Amino acid sequence: QVQLVQSGAEVKKPGASVKVSCKASGYTFTNYGISWVRQAPGQGLEWMGWIFPYNANTNYAQKFQGRVTMTTDTSTTTVYMELRSLISDDTAVYHCARVSLHGGSYYEGDYWGQGTLVTVSS
Amino acid sequence: QSVLTQPPSVSEAPRQRVTISCSGSSSNIGSNAVNWYQQLPGKAPKLLIYYDNLLPSGVSARFSGSKSGTSASLAISGLQSEDEADYYCATWDDSLNGRVFGGGTKLTVL
Repeated sequence: QVQLVQSGAEVKKPGASVKVSCKASGYTFTNYGISWVRQAPGQGLEWMGWIFPYNANTNYAQKFQGRVTMTTDTSTTTVYMELRSLISDDTAVYHCARVSLHGGSYYEGDYWGQGTLVTVSS
Repeated sequence: QSVLTQPPSVSEAPRQRVTISCSGSSSNIGSNAVNWYQQLPGKAPKLLIYYDNLLPSGVSARFSGSKSGTSASLAISGLQSEDEADYYCATWDDSLNGRVFGGGTKLTVL
């Protein structure tokens, strides 16, 4: 069965970096992309970007460009999301979600990781 | 401020039908497919509708999606208490070159 398993909760100080992993299993890793979506406490969903393991192509949301890097390791079917220069507003649950293609349009979310809480606090 | 506008909350009685709207522009809903998600408290979102009106395998046929111009809607018929959740619309925005979500709508089943 398809599974996306994320790394555990993190506590970071302002200015630090965090790297969250998302290990995929149960499907052909290179046939799908992975999006990262975060949710601050009590807030809505926010798309951060995506990566396609087939060719490692990425597309980052404008808000995070220059501060986020998404990478993939096809040997371990794992995707990583690194966010740098953390501030308190980055405190959120970070989810990975599988990206699929239909009719020329991509959509994410037929499978989700369990979420990783990142807390930024001094 | 979200690019896509949803009502903050809607409510309806059990067994009734409710619709949740999602308003955008020509650069997003007007030219790209819309997806809908359900999020129960403390849980990861669940894909309800993709490509405007398609149901993923396993999603109840009580959920349906539609789109007209720069607006989209999610309809839920035969409301049940377990439908109480937050609902989000999402699409691609050509101007931002990225995925955008609506602000979310909290559904209360009276």
